[in-house]
Amino acid sequence: VQLVQSGAEVKKPGASVKVSCKASGYTFSIYSMHWVRQAPGQRLEWMAWINANGNTKYSQRIQGRVTITRDTSASTAYMELSSLRSEDTAVYYCARGESSNWYYYWGQGTLVTVSP
Amino acid sequence: QSVLTQPPSVSGAPGQRVTISCTGSSSNIGANYGVHWYQQLPGTVPKLLIYGNINRPSGVPDRFSGSKSGTSASLAITGLQAEDEADYYCQCYDSSLGGVPFGGGTKLTVL
Repeated sequence: VQLVQSGAEVKKPGASVKVSCKASGYTFSIYSMHWVRQAPGQRLEWMAWINANGNTKYSQRIQGRVTITRDTSASTAYMELSSLRSEDTAVYYCARGESSNWYYYWGQGTLVTVSP
Repeated sequence: QSVLTQPPSVSGAPGQRVTISCTGSSSNIGANYGVHWYQQLPGTVPKLLIYGNINRPSGVPDRFSGSKSGTSASLAITGLQAEDEADYYCQCYDSSLGGVPFGGGTKLTVL
């Protein structure tokens, strides 16, 4: 199993960013995919998930600015965050959700920097 | 602020036993949702240590163990080693939030 994320991004405040997570080594469509972020020196923050049925759930803290999608034909999940602020500067991880929403497999992380 | 509360830091000497607590509520740990624990070494991706309160993935030493009681859970590390120095996070589904929040994290220092 591998989760390979897209590369680092630098964005200006107010812009949007879309991070991809390409999965391999398993049947993509039968597992959920979660997104977690970590600001510099800060704790892990759960952001959202998309389950095997394609339904999504978002953290109340960022709901309205984040959209999780997937392309099952490409075994790829996407996380788009809009109206970026400096506090969105973080490493963004995708992680495969197991039965009780624990994560054994993680992507390598994508650094998103929001700077004027 | 997370709905799961962890001590900011713990420490212990090599060979000692330390525990890290994770205090929740009736909408998460107390509702019998499984608690999971992760270890994050500086600059690395988090690593799963314990899932479903007490289960260790293959390859995780049995020095690491999890437990749960009421609305709290604990991670115990015995035979402390220098390589255990890292940040540790608990995680649990929360029915009020509808998500899977992490605790605030605990920094373990090996003296």
